[in-house]
Formats: sequence, structure tokens, C-alpha cells
Amino acid sequence: KAGVTQTPRYLIKTRGQQVTLSCSPISGHRSVSWYQQTPGQGLQFLFEYFSETQRNKGNFPGRFSGRQFSNSRSEMNVSTLELGDSALYLCASSLEGQATYEQYFGPGTRLTVT
Amino acid sequence: QQPVQSPQAVILREGEDAVINCSSSKALYSVHWYRQKHGEAPVFLMILLKGGEQKGHEKISASFNEKKQQSSLYLTASQLSYSGTYFCGTGAAGNKLTFGGGTRVLVKP
Repeated sequence: KAGVTQTPRYLIKTRGQQVTLSCSPISGHRSVSWYQQTPGQGLQFLFEYFSETQRNKGNFPGRFSGRQFSNSRSEMNVSTLELGDSALYLCASSLEGQATYEQYFGPGTRLTVT
Repeated sequence: QQPVQSPQAVILREGEDAVINCSSSKALYSVHWYRQKHGEAPVFLMILLKGGEQKGHEKISASFNEKKQQSSLYLTASQLSYSGTYFCGTGAAGNKLTFGGGTRVLVKP
């Protein structure tokens, strides 16, 4: 089975711009979760999508949004980028739900905001 | 609220044992353990469910004390490949998984 894929792998954006990141889960997985990882901050949960619906949300401002398509692929969008948004963005897929099923992480998208 | 992991870092010699603890203030129904090597994505190690059995993965095992809302990860006879950052994730009400801050493990020859 192919693993979780994320595109693009690297991005450099300017403050104020917006960005869209993409995640393709493992075939058959219906849950996709997004995380932000910065040095010293661990894995901060952004949101989880299941069957095209946002099921859970972390404590991030409304500039962070996401969606899931009928084929379970997911995108996250960050508008009005700030310097503090520079991070590794990881998505993870699981069969049914993030809390009771193992998650498989993609390689991440490293976003740099200048 | 984020679970608390301890210690924050540990240095081992090959063959030594170590224990990593994960504590939560919430009632839990699952605990996950992941390992992340530098520059790589986190990799799933094991999941412990409320009422379930202790799990194992190679020489890495874990326990889940539901009453104390704690989990421990046991690294036995550590190998160089065990180096990395270990994260616990706790599943609580709302089917939400929250990760701890991580424990950095360095295994030296």
C-alpha cells in the first residue's frame, strides 16, 4: 500500500500571502488529521476531517482552514501568512478516527514565511 | 490540555533500559506512542486502549494505567536505532488525540 503523500514538500512564502497544502491518505483511510510542528512545540493539532466533515479542531486562529474531498484527500489553507506560521505541517491518516486507530504520517510540508 | 511527558530527554548506552512516562489530567480511553527520527515523520509504535492489554513492539513495550491516567513506555536493551523523539498521544472525550511535548532519546554505542 502506498503511504501518505503530501505536496508540496517545501514552500517559501511572503507575509500576507496565502498557501494551500495537500494530503493524500492511505487508500481506504477515511480520517485525515493535520498538525503543525515547530522546534520545541511538539505536535500541535490543527483539525481532523472524517468523511468530508471537520470532526475536531485545535486552538488555531480562523486563518487556518481545511477541507476533505469525497476521495478522502484533504487540503489545508493558511491565509494572511505570518512569520510565526513557519513550521513543518504534517498530515496523518487513519482508518476511522485519530483517537482509537493508529495514524500514519506523511513526510510533511516545510513552510517558510519570510 | 496537553499530556505531560517525562523525562524531557534521556541518554542511554546501548543495552541499557529506560522508561518514558506520559500523564494526563483528563479521563483517557486511549494512549498512542510514536517515534520521530530527525528529519523524518513520526512513526506509529503502538496504541493502548482502555480495558485492553499491554502492547509490545520488538523490545519496546508500554502500559496504560486508566485510573491514574498515565502510560509508560519501556525501552528494553536499547539499540542505536531507538534514538529519536518519542511522543505520547492521549485520546479523550470527543475522539480527539492530543500529543505531549516529546521525550528525546539518544542511545550511544
